[in-house]
Amino acid sequence: KAGVTQTPRYLIKTRGQQVTLSCSPISGHRSVSWYQQTPGQGLQFLFEYFSETQRNKGNFPGRFSGRQFSNSRSEMNVSTLELGDSALYLCASSVPAGGRADTQYFGPGTRLTVL
Amino acid sequence: GDSVTQMEGPVTLSEEAFLTINCTYTATGYPSLFWYVQYPGEGLQLLLKATKADDKGSNKGFEATYRKETTSFHLEKGSVQVSDSAVYFCALEFQGGKLIFGQGTELSVKP
Repeated sequence: KAGVTQTPRYLIKTRGQQVTLSCSPISGHRSVSWYQQTPGQGLQFLFEYFSETQRNKGNFPGRFSGRQFSNSRSEMNVSTLELGDSALYLCASSVPAGGRADTQYFGPGTRLTVL
Repeated sequence: GDSVTQMEGPVTLSEEAFLTINCTYTATGYPSLFWYVQYPGEGLQLLLKATKADDKGSNKGFEATYRKETTSFHLEKGSVQVSDSAVYFCALEFQGGKLIFGQGTELSVKP
């Protein structure tokens, strides 16, 4: 079974631009979560989608948004980029069981650099 | 709020040494607990997990026991190898696909 894939792997943008990152979960996984990883703040939860609905959201400004499609693929969007948005963005997928998410499997991440 | 605290790194060991990475958590209920590992330039890989008190997770020689009384989930390995050099993250999860991570502990194993 193919793992979680994320595209693109690397991205360079300038302040004020917007960016869209894509995540394809493992086949059969219906939950997708997004995380931001930075040296200063570590790994922080952004949001989680299940069956095209956002079920949980972290403490990030409204510039960070996401969505999930009917095939479980997910995208996250960051508008009006700031220098501090430079980070590794990780996507993870899982098979929720009984309302409690199972083990999350991570993709390789998208490295976003904001200049 | 819920949180995870790991021992600070970097941890430097010689090959075949014993490894312990401490992890304690604060939570209002009984979360599932995980250890993930991140190799340079890669995403996170699940190392092991435990879903209830006294459960022991194990994988590739690594072990961790869910201790409710001490709210801990320490990672141990009897004999580390150079290939174990990586960053290790302890994490907890209640539900809704939200993992709360510790700050990570970098391990360097020298031959």
